Amino acid sequence: EDQVTQSPEALRLQEGESSSLNCSYTVSGLRGLFWYRQDPGKGPEFLFTLYSAGEEKEKERLKATLTKKESFLHITAPKPEDSATYLCAVQAGNGQNFVFGPGTRLSVLP
Amino acid sequence: DGGITQSPKYLFRKEGQNVTLSCEQNLNHDAMYWYRQDPGQGLRLIYYSQIVNDFQKGDIAEGYSVSREKKESFPLTVTSAQKNPTAFYLCASSHPDYGYTFGSGTRLTVV
Repeated sequence: EDQVTQSPEALRLQEGESSSLNCSYTVSGLRGLFWYRQDPGKGPEFLFTLYSAGEEKEKERLKATLTKKESFLHITAPKPEDSATYLCAVQAGNGQNFVFGPGTRLSVLP
Repeated sequence: DGGITQSPKYLFRKEGQNVTLSCEQNLNHDAMYWYRQDPGQGLRLIYYSQIVNDFQKGDIAEGYSVSREKKESFPLTVTSAQKNPTAFYLCASSHPDYGYTFGSGTRLTVV
């Protein structure tokens, strides 16, 4: 069974304090790993897609990396506006549906 | 701008009442999905549809029903058989290369 776990459940950082969020997965034939940002009361917004181990993608203060078993979302010098829940999802090679992790709730304090 | 529109944003349901959540997309995506989100849990798939007039049950379909009469529309009905319907409901569509695009969600509360 395809599974996705995320850690930590919640993370509190001071502004400028860099850190990483983890997404661990077990899936039969990874087709893609997706990162989303979700603000309270809103739908998730797409951040990155990673397809193969070793791949990295960057967007402003965020950098996503992928290995065969996990993905990391690195946040460099975060700002309060980076506060949100970050969701990870995997798409197995045998189908179209995604499996979502429970998310990491990030709070960046000024 | 292309996107997914969900309505209403907030919905209140009385015990024993059926309610319908609307989802419309103008992205020309074939696949559409309904997810339920509860605090501390990942998104759970209720129903999905890959083409018009066809849909499949997801992991938690009991107490829900859908229809897909048009490519653009995928309404979800929460029936009285759903015993714990209070949740945040998200509609999404997907492109094979770009993943999911989500709507802004509907928060359903039982009163």
